[in-house]
Amino acid sequence: AQSVTQPDIHITVSEGASLELRCNYSYGATPYLFWYVQSPGQGLQLLLKYFSGDTLVQGIKGFEAEFKRSQSSFNLRKPSVHWSDAAEYFCAVGAVGNTPLVFGKGTRLSVIA
Amino acid sequence: GAGVSQSPRYKVAKRGQDVALRCDPISGHVSLFWYQQALGQGPEFLTYFQNEAQLDKSGLPSDRFFAERPEGSVSTLKIQRTQQEDSAVYLCASSLQKLWGGKNIQYFGAGTRLSVL
Repeated sequence: AQSVTQPDIHITVSEGASLELRCNYSYGATPYLFWYVQSPGQGLQLLLKYFSGDTLVQGIKGFEAEFKRSQSSFNLRKPSVHWSDAAEYFCAVGAVGNTPLVFGKGTRLSVIA
Repeated sequence: GAGVSQSPRYKVAKRGQDVALRCDPISGHVSLFWYQQALGQGPEFLTYFQNEAQLDKSGLPSDRFFAERPEGSVSTLKIQRTQQEDSAVYLCASSLQKLWGGKNIQYFGAGTRLSVL
């Protein structure tokens, strides 16, 4: 069965600092991997996705993530955080094809001045 | 429409009442998913439609939960005799292709927050 672990429940960073959110997945085959962001009262917005190919993927809002098969990880990074990045971030894994996603429990990001 | 639309945005129900939550997917999207998001948790899969066919309902927590998509577009999630543990945000997502249809992206609506008193 698929599973996703986001080890950090809550992270606080200063505006302008770099950010890395961790995601580890468990899946027996080649996974499809996603990062979504959820602002309060909003739905999930896709930040980026990995299907195959280049293991470093670029997304919206200056985010990137790196797929490391040997570590079963798909960590999200941003070089310089903006106050508007404060939100809940979810990592998700799907099987090859259009199947239901399995989400982690999320990491809440707070940004301080 | 431009995105996935869900209504109502908020629903308060007394324990034992029936509720109906609506999802209007992106036009032309074949696949439709329902997820339940409890407070402080990630979304969890409930059920999946390909056009009007409900292909997977393995995530529905009890027989009080029922979903339909009769014309392959709008979907309704119905919860009968609501209980306090049903309080959650219910998210709907749609995607362009069929099950096993390749590299698909699920687009989510804003959700319906259900509070059962």
